[in-house]
Amino acid sequence: EIVLTQSPDFQSVTPKEKVIITCRASQSVGTSLHWYQQKPDQSPKLLIKYASQSFSGVPSRFSGSGSGTDFTLTINSLEAEDAATYYCHQSSSLPRTFGQGTKLEIK
Amino acid sequence: QVQLVESGGGVVQPGKSLRLSCAASGFTFSSYGMHWVRQAPGKGLEWVAVIWSDGSSKYYADSVKDRFTVSRDNSKNTLYVQMNSLRAEDTAVYYCARDEGASAAAIDYWGRGTLVTVSS
Repeated sequence: EIVLTQSPDFQSVTPKEKVIITCRASQSVGTSLHWYQQKPDQSPKLLIKYASQSFSGVPSRFSGSGSGTDFTLTINSLEAEDAATYYCHQSSSLPRTFGQGTKLEIK
Repeated sequence: QVQLVESGGGVVQPGKSLRLSCAASGFTFSSYGMHWVRQAPGKGLEWVAVIWSDGSSKYYADSVKDRFTVSRDNSKNTLYVQMNSLRAEDTAVYYCARDEGASAAAIDYWGRGTLVTVSS
């Protein structure tokens, strides 16, 4: 099973700040790594697929990069509505796995 | 637009069974793999199972293998999961989610989830 480890677990940030969340895989997943945003009491929403491809309708301040075992999700100029928990997910092999999540709090 | 609507959740005693359904609309259901993903209260996301677009293959997390069975009826645009021998640790919101491809791509759309509580 591929273990995905995100950092940090929690971050308190101010609006307009730049945020970087990392996801490290226990073995290579190529670029089969995807990022999701989950707001309280909502279902997850796809932000970035295949490491760096933006999903339809996602604001341009969200971007992703990486390949192999190390990936980043970057949020430029954070907005209050970005308060959420963010998860990485790999589709390289079964069983599918998710990172433990990174909770962003807006100050 | 893509819509996934789960149903069938509720309170069930340990050791009992429950079947969840997911009604799909807004896309050609038979062309997409489908997943079940769960989230225990206050916890992260846990992948449960996947079924290929044509139903020919199914895979499960170790935590539910031999207890859960995923199936689909492409004529009814509906995904199912039969959950047997339920345990307290199966308590979670269960999401139905679409695979962007036939089975091994990004999960692109999620339902709103249905809550399963296993308790005596």
